[in-house]
Amino acid sequence: AQSVTQPDIHITVSEGASLELRCNYSYGATPYLFWYVQSPGQGLQLLLKYFSGDTLVQGIKGFEAEFKRSQSSFNLRKPSVHWSDAAEYFCAVGASGGYFGNEKLTFGTGTRLTIIP
Amino acid sequence: DAGVIQSPRHEVTEMGQEVTLRCKPISGHNSLFWYRQTMMRGLELLIYFNNNVPIDDSGMPEDRFSAKMPNASFSTLKIQPSEPRDSAVYFCASSLDREAYGYTFGSGTRLTVV
Repeated sequence: AQSVTQPDIHITVSEGASLELRCNYSYGATPYLFWYVQSPGQGLQLLLKYFSGDTLVQGIKGFEAEFKRSQSSFNLRKPSVHWSDAAEYFCAVGASGGYFGNEKLTFGTGTRLTIIP
Repeated sequence: DAGVIQSPRHEVTEMGQEVTLRCKPISGHNSLFWYRQTMMRGLELLIYFNNNVPIDDSGMPEDRFSAKMPNASFSTLKIQPSEPRDSAVYFCASSLDREAYGYTFGSGTRLTVV
């Protein structure tokens, strides 16, 4: 079974500084990988996803993530954060080759991002 | 598109009462997922449906929980009887087969059982 680890529970970054959120996964084959963002009181919104091909994927709101098979990682990055980026970020892994092509996702425990002026 | 619609947004009930959470997926989506979010356990998949058929309910905590999807535009998650440990935010998400896991989440139902 697949699993996801987000080692940082809480990260504080100054506005304008760069950001990297860590995600490590465990899965026997090539995984499907995702990053979601959750603002307070809201549902989860998809930021970006990786299935295959280019290991650097671009997402919405200026975020990107890089898939590194050798490290079993899929870290999320942003070159310059804005106060509106304060939220909870979830990494998720899905099994590839599912019958429906849309199998269940396993989520990490999340990283809470705080932005200071 | 109105997105995934969940109701109610908040529910407060007494222990032992029946609770029904409702979800309307995005029109045309044929997979529907129920997740539960708590501080202690994070996001847990409870059950998911494909074309209205339950595919995997291994995450349903116990027999007090049941879910139905009578048609493509409606699903319910029922807890009977409810217990304080069921207090959580319950999310519904929907997606379209082979659309690269385009999960769309609803805003959730915050359930408090007192």
